[in-house]
Amino acid sequence: SQTIHQWPATLVQPVGSPLSLECTVEGTSNPNLYWYRQAAGRGLQLLFYSVGIGQISSEVPQNLSASRPQDRQFILSSKKLLLSDSGFYLCAWHGGGGYEQYFGPGTRLTVT
Amino acid sequence: GDSVTQMEGPVTLSEEAFLTINCTYTATGYPSLFWYVQYPGEGLQLLLKATKADDKGSNKGFEATYRKETTSFHLEKGSVQVSDSAVYFCALLIQGAQKLVFGQGTRLTINP
Repeated sequence: SQTIHQWPATLVQPVGSPLSLECTVEGTSNPNLYWYRQAAGRGLQLLFYSVGIGQISSEVPQNLSASRPQDRQFILSSKKLLLSDSGFYLCAWHGGGGYEQYFGPGTRLTVT
Repeated sequence: GDSVTQMEGPVTLSEEAFLTINCTYTATGYPSLFWYVQYPGEGLQLLLKATKADDKGSNKGFEATYRKETTSFHLEKGSVQVSDSAVYFCALLIQGAQKLVFGQGTRLTINP
């Protein structure tokens, strides 16, 4: 069966520090991968998605970036965090002929 | 563009009450429709889905029927439990598209 992992689970970082969040999927190949952000008490904002290695589509211009160095690995990065980057970051995958997306457990990021 | 509108929350009910969370959509094509649930501090879980008109999705006592004539996919449960307290998201996926379109989410609280 397929599983999706995210780490770290929680992170507290100062303003101006770099960021690297990692997402990996097991049990499937060539999935579509997605990064979402959820601010406190708010809905989901799609940040990036990828349909293949090295292919990244950005939905919202900001100081975040994404990379997909391997088929089942998706990384969210920032060179300098802002206070507004605080939130709950969710990774998701879609593939295998199904219609639905499956979500990881999330990373809670607090920028201080 | 494609969009999903959910009833505004928060919704507070007593245990064993009947639940309805309204969801309507606007889509240019023929969407598949989903309900996701997010328990506190967790990622999203797929609750149920329907891929064509008049389909009924069901899971864990929840049901939703794909109504093309009213462009709706309302979530219902006959008798809610405290453990149903969560945020519920309605979403659609246009056939051939890569991205889900989410509603803003509805926070549900069930009191004992």
